[in-house]
Amino acid sequence: DGGITQSPKYLFRKEGQNVTLSCEQNLNHDAMYWYRQDPGQGLRLIYYSQIVNDFQKGDIAEGYSVSREKKESFPLTVTSAQKNPTAFYLCASSGRGGSYNSPLHFGNGTRLTVT
Amino acid sequence: AQSVSQHNHHVILSEAASLELGCNYSYGGTVNLFWYVQYPGQHLQLLLKYFSGDPLVKGIKGFEAEFIKSKFSFNLRKPSVQWSDTAEYFCAVNHRADNDMRFGAGTRLTVKP
Repeated sequence: DGGITQSPKYLFRKEGQNVTLSCEQNLNHDAMYWYRQDPGQGLRLIYYSQIVNDFQKGDIAEGYSVSREKKESFPLTVTSAQKNPTAFYLCASSGRGGSYNSPLHFGNGTRLTVT
Repeated sequence: AQSVSQHNHHVILSEAASLELGCNYSYGGTVNLFWYVQYPGQHLQLLLKYFSGDPLVKGIKGFEAEFIKSKFSFNLRKPSVQWSDTAEYFCAVNHRADNDMRFGAGTRLTVKP
């Protein structure tokens, strides 16, 4: 079955360490997205990518980095510069031609805890 | 950048009551509009979407939403809620030129049996 795989489900890191969250999709979707979900704040857009080798900052990109070397993969690195990294991170993708003509498909999410 | 506002943080209703959840967005260009629902412990699911045409769109589970362009609004409605509608509801707006997708803060709906 096609879908989006985020790994790991739970991740624990010490403060000051960079950590990379994985997101893989086999839906042949062009666009991919990273969101951060915090209670009472909804989903906030971190980065998004419309095509391979291209990505744009969302509303809260500071302290994060991404790459899009393959259509299927859109890893997110949470750097030590991110001041409040503990959160639930959601990856999403949408169909051919970008999200404007199709809704998002979501992964299961990764809960990152930094201590 | 555009933003999405949901007016109600937490709504509590009794079964069979009518529901209306507000959603406004800031951008005046061409947008697509969505409502997603997240049931406890589950993924976000698409309830309904608007791209063009009839501004009154119907979704799953008896939900509908009306796009009022002059008010930059896309309110979600249901005539009679059920206990199983207890969930968090998110409005989302996609600006076609940017191909982004932004969400509101969400509204938690609690339906009392």
